[in-house]
Amino acid sequence: DTAVSQTPKYLVTQMGNDKSIKCEQNLGHDTMYWYKQDSKKFLKIMFSYNNKELIINETVPNRFSPKSPDKAHLNLHINSLELGDSAVYFCASSQTLPGNQPQHFGDGTRLSIL
Amino acid sequence: DQQVKQNSPSLSVQEGRISILNCDYTNSMFDYFLWYKKYPAEGPTFLISISSIKDKNEDGRFTVFLNKSAKHLSLHIVPSQPGDSAVYFCAASARYGGSQGNLIFGKGTKLSVKP
Repeated sequence: DTAVSQTPKYLVTQMGNDKSIKCEQNLGHDTMYWYKQDSKKFLKIMFSYNNKELIINETVPNRFSPKSPDKAHLNLHINSLELGDSAVYFCASSQTLPGNQPQHFGDGTRLSIL
Repeated sequence: DQQVKQNSPSLSVQEGRISILNCDYTNSMFDYFLWYKKYPAEGPTFLISISSIKDKNEDGRFTVFLNKSAKHLSLHIVPSQPGDSAVYFCAASARYGGSQGNLIFGKGTKLSVKP
């Protein structure tokens, strides 16, 4: 019974396309996040949402637009994909904000731009 | 500007011995520290955490030590098992200072435990 699930696991697409990644958590958590792991293997926060409200936007290009229809879901839509967007994207959730509690991660979506 | 540093990209240990993974940080506002374990093609899995009011936290074979004056933490795994082979990420957060508890990750250390 997966706690944080994201789909798809792999996404291969052409430059310039628009794509979405979906994330759902069944932990009853209030806070959800998107992280990007680039080719240098650093995991960096992109967005966090608390109870469907945007809390953190870490200077991510506005081609990236998160959408939280309810507190169990946080989807990531990317417009006009660029080569530099190739990375692994991880969704995560935690009980609430502020910190001092662990975040639970999904298995990642590997995005490859051709 | 790396606020959380794991200076050893890899570590190899014999089964049954102790594994010690190290992590240094620069931001004195950090008040919560975590270790995550990651297998290939999976997400990071939470392992153990420590609050800045403590200097040690233990959970089974895993112990995390925090030295605030040195801005250093370490993860000890005793005894090491082949199933512990994975990439270990150190992470830190600060409740105050405007970062809203945002997790800052190190680059990871790949642990290999040899039978």
